[in-house]
Amino acid sequence: DIQMTQSPSTLSASVGDRVTITCRASQSISSWLAWHQQKPGKAPKLLIYKASSLESGVPSRFSGSGFGTEFTLTINSLQPDDFATYYCQQYNSYPYTFGQGTKLEIK
Amino acid sequence: QVQLVQSGAEVKKPGASVMVSCKASGSTFTDYGVSWVRQAPGQGLEWMGWISADNGDTKFAQKLQGRVTMTTDTSTSTAYMELRSLRSDDTAVYYCARDLGVTALSDWGQGTLVTVSS
Repeated sequence: DIQMTQSPSTLSASVGDRVTITCRASQSISSWLAWHQQKPGKAPKLLIYKASSLESGVPSRFSGSGFGTEFTLTINSLQPDDFATYYCQQYNSYPYTFGQGTKLEIK
Repeated sequence: QVQLVQSGAEVKKPGASVMVSCKASGSTFTDYGVSWVRQAPGQGLEWMGWISADNGDTKFAQKLQGRVTMTTDTSTSTAYMELRSLRSDDTAVYYCARDLGVTALSDWGQGTLVTVSS
């Protein structure tokens, strides 16, 4: 199985900040990487697919990059609504696997 | 827009089975697959398996092989996930998600809490 490792596990930031979350795959997954946002008690929501494609309706302050084994999610100018947990997910091969999550907290 | 509506919360005893349904609307059901993902209390997301709504092909996480079944009913645009021989560590919120392949898990159900307790 492909292991996905996110860092950091927790991130404290302020409204207006720019933050970056990193996800590493244990083997190459090409661009088959998605980012999901989850708020407490809610279902995850797709933000980015194929490493850098923005899902329809997602604000442009979210962006993704990377290829192979190293990927990043960047959020520019953090808004209050962005404080949540973020998961990367590979869909290069079955079984799909998720990173352990990054909790973005208000500083 | 696409909507996935799941069945309600369940409480089961160890050793029992549970079936969760996921009814889709707003798109052609057989154009995509459905993945099932679960989340234990306070934990991360765990992919359980996938089923093609078109031909019923399935893929499962190895740890659940033999205990899980996934099916679809194209006449009602509904996907089902059955988990058998329930244990306390199967207590989780279970999600279905529309799996379009290239665009990953693009739409999610609201989640179904399954509690396994004696």
